[in-house]
Amino acid sequence: GDSVTQMEGPVTLSEEAFLTINCTYTATGYPSLFWYVQYPGEGLQLLLKATKADDKGSNKGFEATYRKETTSFHLEKGSVQVSDSAVYFCALSGETSGSRLTFGEGTQLTVNP
Amino acid sequence: DAGVTQSPTHLIKTRGQQVTLRCSPKSGHDTVSWYQQALGQGPQFIFQYYEEEERQRGNFPDRFSGHQFPNYSSELNVNALLLGDSALYLCASSLGPSLKKTQYFGPGTRLLVL
Repeated sequence: GDSVTQMEGPVTLSEEAFLTINCTYTATGYPSLFWYVQYPGEGLQLLLKATKADDKGSNKGFEATYRKETTSFHLEKGSVQVSDSAVYFCALSGETSGSRLTFGEGTQLTVNP
Repeated sequence: DAGVTQSPTHLIKTRGQQVTLRCSPKSGHDTVSWYQQALGQGPQFIFQYYEEEERQRGNFPDRFSGHQFPNYSSELNVNALLLGDSALYLCASSLGPSLKKTQYFGPGTRLLVL
């Protein structure tokens, strides 16, 4: 079945550092890929998405590229801020699962001033 | 534009009791999905409703049931509560159930079972 694997956390960075959170997936065909962010005590917010191979999703300085050849969708940001501290979830919806989402375990990011 | 809303925000129950959680989808959305998020884990899909029918179901027992109303709002019911049912329950809505439709999440209902 479908699955998502994220890099183990937590991740702690200084402000203005470069961020990479790795995400790889297993799914048949061409799933849609998503990054969601969860701030403390809140629900999930869509950060960015990509629906076909080689698409790049971007939002608020975050980027991720859908790499079919490596089954990856790594999240990157060139310069993180304290306000980016949150839990980040990689997710997919598979070709046979409609809009149903399969999530990774999440990566806790803490950015220190 | 109203987003996804859920009620109540917090709930405390005891083992064996029953609970009902409610969700109103984002304006214009007709598909509602429910997820369970245990502490420190990613959300797990429970089921999805479209056109007032359960369209997909995850690996959850029959104690978990739901309903969708003609106005697209939805309820999640859990019977015979177990301690392990303590979690954040998230509702998500989308415009249609098909692939590539983005799901938008509500703030969740935090359930504690004692």
